[in-house]
Amino acid sequence: NAGVTQTPKFQVLKTGQSMTLQCAQDMNHEYMSWYRQDPGMGLRLIHYSVGAGITDQGEVPNGYNVSRSTTEDFPLRLLSAAPSQTSVYFCASRPGAYTDTQYFGPGTRLTVL
Amino acid sequence: DQQVKQNSPSLSVQEGRISILNCDYTNSMFDYFLWYKKYPAEGPTFLISISSIKDKNEDGRFTVFLNKSAKHLSLHIVPSQPGDSAVYFCAARRHPNAGGTSYGKLTFGQGTILTVHP
Repeated sequence: NAGVTQTPKFQVLKTGQSMTLQCAQDMNHEYMSWYRQDPGMGLRLIHYSVGAGITDQGEVPNGYNVSRSTTEDFPLRLLSAAPSQTSVYFCASRPGAYTDTQYFGPGTRLTVL
Repeated sequence: DQQVKQNSPSLSVQEGRISILNCDYTNSMFDYFLWYKKYPAEGPTFLISISSIKDKNEDGRFTVFLNKSAKHLSLHIVPSQPGDSAVYFCAARRHPNAGGTSYGKLTFGQGTILTVHP
């Protein structure tokens, strides 16, 4: 049982490049989320999914796309990277929308030059 | 608009003493509150929660207090231990029947760095 895994752990991009941050969970959780953590801003919700095939926007969705074709995977796509997207990204999952315990991945540190 | 605020960026406490971390919220639709703890280079982990129908919830050394009229909650750690040194985030969510499309979305505060000195 690996929990929530994220790849890569570190990434450096140039402005305008695109990439996909991978997230997978093996706990059969329906609810998955992507957050970004920035100094002084806490964790901000980018996108979330309440189940396979269903996604919705969070607080800061601009510049990011998600899809949820399976229960296990929830990739986050950066369409055209900008320096403002330099951040640490966390994927999280929990059994349902109103479950206390949310499991976070170890994070991806992204730098956009 | 920061709906959940942790106004103290950092807190330093001696081992064995009490740590009190504070959190304020502005959205009166929030009715459930959670605390998460985060060590460097790791994802946050759930610590304790409280529903708005309670004013206190306790779990071992950790107690969360909620003052609804003041829209304020606090996390007390007694006694504090060096292993408690971490970033603490409070988070809030709306009631399932509050209307709109909240779907369990969590709003986090900025975090407070707690350092417990031996």
